[in-house]
Amino acid sequence: GENVEQHPSTLSVQEGDSAVIKCTYSDSASNYFPWYKQELGKGPQLIIDIRSNVGEKKDQRIAVTLNKTAKHFSLHITETQPEDSAVYFCAARGEGSYIPTFGRGTSLIVHP
Amino acid sequence: ETGVTQTPRHLVMGMTNKKSLKCEQHLGHNAMYWYKQSAKKPLELMFVYNFKEQTENNSVPSRFSPECPNSSHLFLHLHTLQPEDSALYLCASSQDSEGYTFGSGTRLTVV
Repeated sequence: GENVEQHPSTLSVQEGDSAVIKCTYSDSASNYFPWYKQELGKGPQLIIDIRSNVGEKKDQRIAVTLNKTAKHFSLHITETQPEDSAVYFCAARGEGSYIPTFGRGTSLIVHP
Repeated sequence: ETGVTQTPRHLVMGMTNKKSLKCEQHLGHNAMYWYKQSAKKPLELMFVYNFKEQTENNSVPSRFSPECPNSSHLFLHLHTLQPEDSALYLCASSQDSEGYTFGSGTRLTVV
């Protein structure tokens, strides 16, 4: 089955800096890669996703890149703000499957 | 509100109690899920309902019993739980195999 590794487990940055979270996956058939943000006391929220036919996708201050050859994908947050502090989860899912495999999460702390 | 509503938000129950968690989605999605989230562990899939039919049961103990009466409602019936079952229980929905919309979860404590 699919295996998703996520690094780092904790990331601490100063407000205004960039943050990068990286994930690797094992199943080359995976073709959908969502990212979720979980704030304290809430459920995870889908913030951006990318499919295997695209190498990069941006939405304002967040971007995701995908390297299919190396089987890794990354979340990039620029100009970080304290409200970006949360746990971020990556996931990978195969075509036609309802079930993604989640990474273990990265706790991002943005210091004012 | 995400469009997926879970009740109650917090639940404390004894090991001999019976309780139910409720999930309701107002998004018109055709698949619903139960996940367990424990500290220091990845999200654990428990059950999947696709078009109201249970399609996955991820080796979950029988003390957890799901029910999906229609495509908008999902229940998780709990009985004779153990302290290690204390966790955040998350409900999610999706349209086909697209990204999930999660509820805010039920924080369960078994005493």
